[in-house]
This record gives sequence, structure tokens and C-alpha cells, in this order.
Amino acid sequence: QVQLVQSGAEVKKPGSSVKVSCKASGGTFSNHAISWVRQAPGQGLEWMGGIIPTFGTANYAQKFQGRVTIIADESTSTAYMELSSLRSEDMAVYYCARGRFPGEWLSSHDYWGQGTLVTVSS
Amino acid sequence: DIQLTQSPSFLSASVGDRVTITCRASQGISNYLAWYQQKPGKAPKLLIYGASTLQSGVPSRFSGSGSGTEITLKISSLQPEDFATYYCQQLNSYPPTFGQGTKVEIK
Repeated sequence: QVQLVQSGAEVKKPGSSVKVSCKASGGTFSNHAISWVRQAPGQGLEWMGGIIPTFGTANYAQKFQGRVTIIADESTSTAYMELSSLRSEDMAVYYCARGRFPGEWLSSHDYWGQGTLVTVSS
Repeated sequence: DIQLTQSPSFLSASVGDRVTITCRASQGISNYLAWYQQKPGKAPKLLIYGASTLQSGVPSRFSGSGSGTEITLKISSLQPEDFATYYCQQLNSYPPTFGQGTKVEIK
């Protein structure tokens, strides 16, 4: 059974960066896209970007271009999302999610991490 | 970006009711649409992909239909565990956007 386990909650100051990890177990890691989706309190879902580990390159939503970096370490089956220049509007739960179909960049998300709450406060 | 508009945004229904949620896209997305269910404090759960294919383990009371710019999710007989928020997501083009959500509450 595939499991995605994310790192714990973070409290960050405005202007700083946060790095969230997502460790996969079960199934194959390298050829399924891992996306990052965030959800601000009481709000909907927002796709930030994704990576297919075996390809190495990431795609990002234009809204986050230049502020977000997504990488994957195949040796540890772990994906990471780093968001910089944090502002109050970035306070949200950040989820990683696996693409259902191997090798497909645009794929529905069949497994999700438990979410990581990032609080941005001075 | 492709905009997805779900209707209704809020729905009050009783156990046993038949429920329909519509997702309208700002441009054609063929059948590249997924539906998710989210309960408070939990990650979303994939219900349907390809507009009409039920994800493994999802009860058959859930069904999806449509293509192009209008796609629907139907719950044939609402169960207590179905009270949640439902989101559609288009996977036709980048970025893969979500609808704003439909909250299904108990009447």
C-alpha cells in the first residue's frame, strides 16, 4: 500500500523559507508525478507544482514561479517543496499527492500525504 | 488558466437523497477531470478520474458523466459518510486547476 508521510508543522517568519518533505513507501516512486497542493484555512485546493522523480525536472504554477522549488531524491523516495519569501497569505496546509498514472505529468492524485501546516507569523 | 466553476457551492440534503454536482470549465477539457471528496482535517480522496471512472474502492453510488465544458458528479443515495466537500480538478492543461468546492451538509 502506498503511503506518503510528510514532515511536521512549521512556524515561520515573514520573508523566510520553508521546506516540506514527503516520503513515499510502497509502490514505485520514481515514475509517478508528485504534486504539491495547498489549502489556506477555510479555502479550496491550489496546485503549486509537481515533479516526476525519474525525469528530474519540475513544473510550477505561474503564480509560484520563482518562489517555489520542488525536488525529488530517488535514493530515499522523498520529495521536497521549498517556498521562499513567505508572507501571511502562504499560511496553509501543504499536501503532497501522487499522480495516478506512471509517467504522466497531468494525472489525478490517488494518494495524498497527511498535510503539513505552515504558519507564517511575526 | 482554465477556470472551473462548481454548482452549487453549498448543498443541504438528507440521507437517501440523490445529489448532483456540476463542474463547468471555462474551455473544453474533454474528459480530463477528477473528483475528490474531502472531510474536515483530512486530505482529499480521489473518487473519480477520467470524468467517469470510479477509483478502486469507491462505492458505486458515486458516478461521473459528461465531457467538454460540463461534467457532473452524482451520488445516487446519500449516506451519512458522504457529508463532505467535493472538488473537481481539470487535468487537460497546466496548471491543473480545482473548482471552488461544493459543501454537502445534512438537512
